[in-house]
Amino acid sequence: AQSVTQLGSHVSVSEGALVLLRCNYSSSVPPYLFWYVQYPNQGLQLLLKYTTGATLVKGINGFEAEFKKSETSFHLTKPSAHMSDAAEYFCAVGKAAGNKLTFGGGTRVLVKP
Amino acid sequence: DAGITQSPRYKITETGRQVTLMCHQTWSHSYMFWYRQDLGHGLRLIYYSAAADITDKGEVPDGYVVSRSKTENFPLTLESATRSQTSVYFCASSEGPDSPLHFGNGTRLTVT
Repeated sequence: AQSVTQLGSHVSVSEGALVLLRCNYSSSVPPYLFWYVQYPNQGLQLLLKYTTGATLVKGINGFEAEFKKSETSFHLTKPSAHMSDAAEYFCAVGKAAGNKLTFGGGTRVLVKP
Repeated sequence: DAGITQSPRYKITETGRQVTLMCHQTWSHSYMFWYRQDLGHGLRLIYYSAAADITDKGEVPDGYVVSRSKTENFPLTLESATRSQTSVYFCASSEGPDSPLHFGNGTRLTVT
């Protein structure tokens, strides 16, 4: 069975500061890994994904994530937070990209001016 | 407009009533999914479908029924609504096993 743990349900950062959201997963097979973002009253949008190949993945809006197999982690970072980054972020794992993803509990990001 | 549309956007119903949430996508994606979102639980998969007339249970299927007679539609029915089914429901679709999910804007359901 797959599972995803996101450390911290809420994160507060200052505008311009580093954003770091942590995600650890368990999977019995090589995983597909994703980060999704949810803005208020909207559905989830894909930020980035790891399937195979390069372990450092770049996504939209300046976000990137690194797949570390030895640590079973897929942490999301952005060097400089912007007010528009305030949202909820979900890490997800699956055996295939479009098939039965398992989501973490989400991390809500607050950006302070 | 192309995309994935859920209706209604908001719904209040009473315990014991049947309610159907609609999902329509215009991409002709093969895969469609229903998730529920609850505080602290993230999103949990209720049912999914790999193609028309092919459906399968997810993590939390009890109390729900789905059908998929047409590729573009994937309605979710609560046969006899309970308060524990108060949640935000998201429909999603994907083109195939290696394609990401595309989500609708959700239906907020309250069962009184």
